[in-house]
Amino acid sequence: DQQVKQNSPSLSVQEGRISILNCDYTNSMFDYFLWYKKYPAEGPTFLISISSIKDKNEDGRFTVFLNKSAKHLSLHIVPSQPGDSAVYFCAETSGSRLTFGEGTQLTVNP
Amino acid sequence: EAQVTQNPRYLITVTGKKLTVTCSQNMNHEYMSWYRQDPGLGLRQIYYSMNVEVTDKGDVPEGYKVSRKEKRNFPLILESPSPNQTSLYFCASSVTSGRSSYEQYFGPGTRLTVT
Repeated sequence: DQQVKQNSPSLSVQEGRISILNCDYTNSMFDYFLWYKKYPAEGPTFLISISSIKDKNEDGRFTVFLNKSAKHLSLHIVPSQPGDSAVYFCAETSGSRLTFGEGTQLTVNP
Repeated sequence: EAQVTQNPRYLITVTGKKLTVTCSQNMNHEYMSWYRQDPGLGLRQIYYSMNVEVTDKGDVPEGYKVSRKEKRNFPLILESPSPNQTSLYFCASSVTSGRSSYEQYFGPGTRLTVT
């Protein structure tokens, strides 16, 4: 059973608008959630994280929200830019293990 | 430049022929890990290592071996590759704090095809 799920395989938004990527999880005993961005032919790169004791973390255009009661987190990108087009993975870290979701392909149209 | 390197980047091999994919990091990280990426499944952890001579299984360890004799290197060994090990492989490293690993730095990936 997938412990971290990204139910939307793809998302398309217009440049300048908000992108919202979602992630659901089942394991309540996690340390952090992290978001990674992946371009074709490259390895994933770290984007932003949130601790299990927080409900929001912001870094420039990127904000991650954590709703522990719903076991849901989301990544907001505002404003979206064409260079943000990539596959986004959420990942849960619990101790020394890292569990990834399936990924969401974000396309930002000029 | 801080980086994780993997070799080879692309490999086509035949069933049963032993192979090794090398991984090296220059950031003095304690933690290293191997993942495979398959369509619709995201990245799944194969093996990880908290430090030299300390390795443990991830979610999909069957058919793989690893070793950690030096801090910077973490090779992935396929003793007898099979077609279901055709995948995109990533090595990653990070610092650790207690039991937790934090943001991981990934290599560029190795595309393996087993025929």
